[in-house]
Amino acid sequence: AQTVTQSQPEMSVQEAETVTLSCTYDTSENNYYLFWYKQPPSRQMILVIRQEAYKQQNATENRFSVNFQKAAKSFSLKISDSQLGDTAMYFCAFMFGGTASKLTFGTGTRLQVTL
Amino acid sequence: DTGVSQNPRHKITKRGQNVTFRCDPISEHNRLYWYRQTLGQGPEFLTYFQNEAQLEKSRLLSDRFSAERPKGSFSTLEIQRTEQGDSAMYLCASSLGSGGSYGDTQYFGPGTRLTVL
Repeated sequence: AQTVTQSQPEMSVQEAETVTLSCTYDTSENNYYLFWYKQPPSRQMILVIRQEAYKQQNATENRFSVNFQKAAKSFSLKISDSQLGDTAMYFCAFMFGGTASKLTFGTGTRLQVTL
Repeated sequence: DTGVSQNPRHKITKRGQNVTFRCDPISEHNRLYWYRQTLGQGPEFLTYFQNEAQLEKSRLLSDRFSAERPKGSFSTLEIQRTEQGDSAMYLCASSLGSGGSYGDTQYFGPGTRLTVL
């Protein structure tokens, strides 16, 4: 079974600064996908960024980028120029690329962006 | 372009009662998922439909839980004889997948928060 570990329960960053959220996973599979989802307080979960394991190039989406280290099974999220609206729970998630479509989530990192 | 919707948003019930939740996926999304999220945890997979077929069920889905997706559109999740341990946020997600391909992005609804007294 796949497991996803987020070792930082809470983090804080000042507005306009850069922060990196950590995620490690454990799998014996070679074909998989990784995701970061954001869940703002009392609001629904939205996709931040996704990465296909077969792609060596790290995914980027505007201020969000990932550092995907396949051999180390690490998938960290970097948020540049942090904004107050980035305050949320961030979940790292794994999806096997075979017959199952379910997401396996980590326990999340609560990010607080301060003035 | 509406997103995934879920009703009701909140449900309070007494132990032993039955409850039913509804999920309306994004139009034309053929895959639909149910997850359960307890306080301070990430969502846990419950079950997955492709069109009207229920293709996978988690061991978390005890025999008190049943999900349906008639006609491959909306889905319902019913919990019979609720227990206090069923208190959680129930999330629905949908995605558009083609053939045997996977890795499609799942779009989540706002969830139904269940409180069992």
